[in-house]
Amino acid sequence: DVVMTQSPLSLPVTLGQPASISCRSSQSLVDSDGNTYLNWFQQRPGKSPRRLIYGVSKRDSGVPDRFSGSGSGTDFTLKISRVEAEDVGLYYCMQATHWPYTFGQGTRLEIK
Amino acid sequence: EVQLVESGGGLVQPGGSLRLSCAASGFTFNNAWMSWVRQAAGKGLEWVGRIKSKTDGGTTDYAAPVKDRFIISRNDSKNTLYLQMNSLKTEDTAVYYCTTGATIWGQGTLVTVSS
Repeated sequence: DVVMTQSPLSLPVTLGQPASISCRSSQSLVDSDGNTYLNWFQQRPGKSPRRLIYGVSKRDSGVPDRFSGSGSGTDFTLKISRVEAEDVGLYYCMQATHWPYTFGQGTRLEIK
Repeated sequence: EVQLVESGGGLVQPGGSLRLSCAASGFTFNNAWMSWVRQAAGKGLEWVGRIKSKTDGGTTDYAAPVKDRFIISRNDSKNTLYLQMNSLKTEDTAVYYCTTGATIWGQGTLVTVSS
């Protein structure tokens, strides 16, 4: 299975400051069709996961533009340009190139 | 409104069986690939399995920990997804979510495997 490794696992951030989460995969996520199926999810406390980013860098509908995704191959990053209180929660990267789909361990974002 | 609603969770003894349901509305269910994802308390997310649309063959795929014990099926006439869980183990204790395209998620249903 593809192992997804996130860092850091805990991310204390001051309101209004930027935040960045790294995700590395144990093998390339470039599919045979040329696409890279790397997603980012947010899970607020007590809620279901919500997809923020798909295809490395495409934002889902309704996702604030302070969230952005980048990367290629095996190295990916989720950035929040200015953290707001509602951003508190767990963030997961997830690959959907290889079956079984796999998630990173999760990064807990908290307000400092 | 686009919605997925899981049901059927509960307490079951090790070795027992349970069937979860996921009722879909607000989108074309028969065209959708559907999946089950679980999350143990305080732990991360784990993809359990998926079922393709009948148009795409209707086949299923499972993660190794549940293969040969869990069965995913669908009833397109009822817009409902199922997860039949057999030979349950304590490590299957988790909230089970259904999802389509990873964009629509249900609220989850808790399965507790304990004696």
